[in-house]
Amino acid sequence: DSGVTQTPKHLITATGQRVTLRCSPRSGDLSVYWYQQSLDQGLQFLIQYYNGEERAKGNILERFSAQQFPDLHSELNLSSLELGDSALYFCASSVQLNTEAFFGQGTRLTVV
Amino acid sequence: GNSVTQMEGPVTLSEEAFLTINCTYTATGYPSLFWYVQYPGEGLQLLLKATKADDKGSNKGFEATYRKETTSFHLEKGSVQVSDSAVYFCALRNTGGFKTIFGAGTRLFVKA
Repeated sequence: DSGVTQTPKHLITATGQRVTLRCSPRSGDLSVYWYQQSLDQGLQFLIQYYNGEERAKGNILERFSAQQFPDLHSELNLSSLELGDSALYFCASSVQLNTEAFFGQGTRLTVV
Repeated sequence: GNSVTQMEGPVTLSEEAFLTINCTYTATGYPSLFWYVQYPGEGLQLLLKATKADDKGSNKGFEATYRKETTSFHLEKGSVQVSDSAVYFCALRNTGGFKTIFGAGTRLFVKA
């Protein structure tokens, strides 16, 4: 158990809908990362937050957004969902910006 | 830009066989290099890392040596077990960088 908690574990939704994925980092970790893992794209970095502020952005679509709250948990919002958004979404956390990241077990999103 | 290239899988071995998973990278500066492992249904776990040239990372019988001259970080294990069946990801993070870039992953099957 990495100490990073992601909810829900599984999510099935229809195209065009909006979902929110939640991540609770390890106790004491200030930085949160989101990754998307799909069969055709592999593991892609989406976005990183540190102590509530966005610090790095990767291949995140405009339909997706994220935020980190004062209690350091983070949410990833996915809207206008398409079939191609079906993937495993991982959250990771680390103590500082450039230290080892610990991954959660992921949320499997299926868009039908 | 920075990138990581891994050998394609799946790799299928018999128990006690020798394992090599090749990984090469492209990066500016002096990146840190990592191997992560993803067991079925779980998130990624850091397996080992190396932060400078000629460093050898090791853990659970796995080893990888940071070779700057060949820009490689190949993963090796002398005798694999069925429990090593998983997906292995090579990754890099540049000095001062905030995001970790992953290779496509190599699936390993170990037969009893």
